[in-house]
Amino acid sequence: SQQGEEDPQALSIQEGENATMNCSYKTSINNLQWYRQNSGRGLVHLILIRSNEREKHSGRLRVTLDTSKKSSSLLITASRAADTASYFCATDARSGGSYIPTFGRGTSLIVHP
Amino acid sequence: EAQVTQNPRYLITVTGKKLTVTCSQNMNHEYMSWYRQDPGLGLRQIYYSMNVEVTDKGDVPEGYKVSRKEKRNFPLILESPSPNQTSLYFCASSPPRGPGANVLTFGAGSRLTVL
Repeated sequence: SQQGEEDPQALSIQEGENATMNCSYKTSINNLQWYRQNSGRGLVHLILIRSNEREKHSGRLRVTLDTSKKSSSLLITASRAADTASYFCATDARSGGSYIPTFGRGTSLIVHP
Repeated sequence: EAQVTQNPRYLITVTGKKLTVTCSQNMNHEYMSWYRQDPGLGLRQIYYSMNVEVTDKGDVPEGYKVSRKEKRNFPLILESPSPNQTSLYFCASSPPRGPGANVLTFGAGSRLTVL
């Protein structure tokens, strides 16, 4: 079952603009992660935010987490053509105390030069 | 270099011909997992393993087998492949604790076509 769902499914912007994508999930989490995937390649970890954190930054990335709304957002500022990729959120589904990450369907971002 | 290595990267096969996709990691990670990725469906988990000799079904285990005899290897076995198993497959691993806990490192992917 897919715990997290990204929104929008697709996003097309111009270079220099900001890109915002959202993730909603269903059950309580301990942490939420964002990953990036260039076309047909393996996913690469971007950032992890814990349930007791509200905001986290990494370079041009800003992630927020609202546990009351069960949602997170990823903001990419001053986007570049090289940011073109699919972005996935992953939430931790606990099974007997073990961590089982589950992914959403992703947001496909196109940044036009 | 710390990495997850999958082989083969590309494979075209025929229905019913058994195949194995290998996955190896050199980071001493305990957790390993297989995913398949299909257009519009995102990543779906096939099987995962919390440690050696411990494996569990994910969301879409039908038609697949796995084994975890050693910590570094987690092969995915398709005993009798069918066309609906045509997909892009990813292996991933993570440490359960310490720095990087629960952060997955992915392989480059294996694109499988079953005719």
